[in-house]
Amino acid sequence: EVQLVESGGTLVEPGGSLRLSCAASGFSFSSYAMNWIRQAPGKGLEWVSSITNSGGSIHYTDSVKGRFTISRDNSKNRVYLQMNSLRAEDTAVYYCVKDPGVSSGKNGVFDYWGQGTLVIVSS
Amino acid sequence: DVQLTQSPSSLSASVGDRVTITCQASQDITLFLNWYQQKPGRAPNLLIFDASDLETGVPSRFSGSGSGTEFSLTISALQPEDFATYYCQQYDHVPYTFGQGTKLEIK
Repeated sequence: EVQLVESGGTLVEPGGSLRLSCAASGFSFSSYAMNWIRQAPGKGLEWVSSITNSGGSIHYTDSVKGRFTISRDNSKNRVYLQMNSLRAEDTAVYYCVKDPGVSSGKNGVFDYWGQGTLVIVSS
Repeated sequence: DVQLTQSPSSLSASVGDRVTITCQASQDITLFLNWYQQKPGRAPNLLIFDASDLETGVPSRFSGSGSGTEFSLTISALQPEDFATYYCQQYDHVPYTFGQGTKLEIK
């Protein structure tokens, strides 16, 4: 059974930093791209960042470029999101999400989601 | 960025009804369009990928169609567990983007 368990979410002051972690199990972690997707309270879904299986290709949404860094450790089956210079608008539930790697070869399908971890940026 | 506009934003329907939600893309995304269902307090669940392919384990009452810029999700006969919020999402271009969501409520 695929499991994705996020941790690290908490209350942080504006300008602060936080590192989210996602522990993966139940699949061959090193074979799949991974993503972070967030959802502000009462709002819709926003893709934040993706990393390919090897870590060789990384993408970010514009609003977090230069502030957030995605990484992975395939030996530990973990993916991370380092979040710096946090802003109030970063307040959201952050989901760790697996990409199944569809036949087209493109990334960007989200087949398994963790339960999410809540980040609140407030003074 | 590719903008996705869902219609309607909310919808009231009854058990057994057939409902259709549409998703319009701001540019041609061929077939790179997915649909998700989200229930309150829960993570989203993939229903349809590549515009019309049913994800394993998803009931056959869900179907997707469309290509280019116009897409739709149809639920052929609503069940009580289908009342939720539905999102479309494109993956033709980075950043991957979602529609604003359609909240399906019980009439």
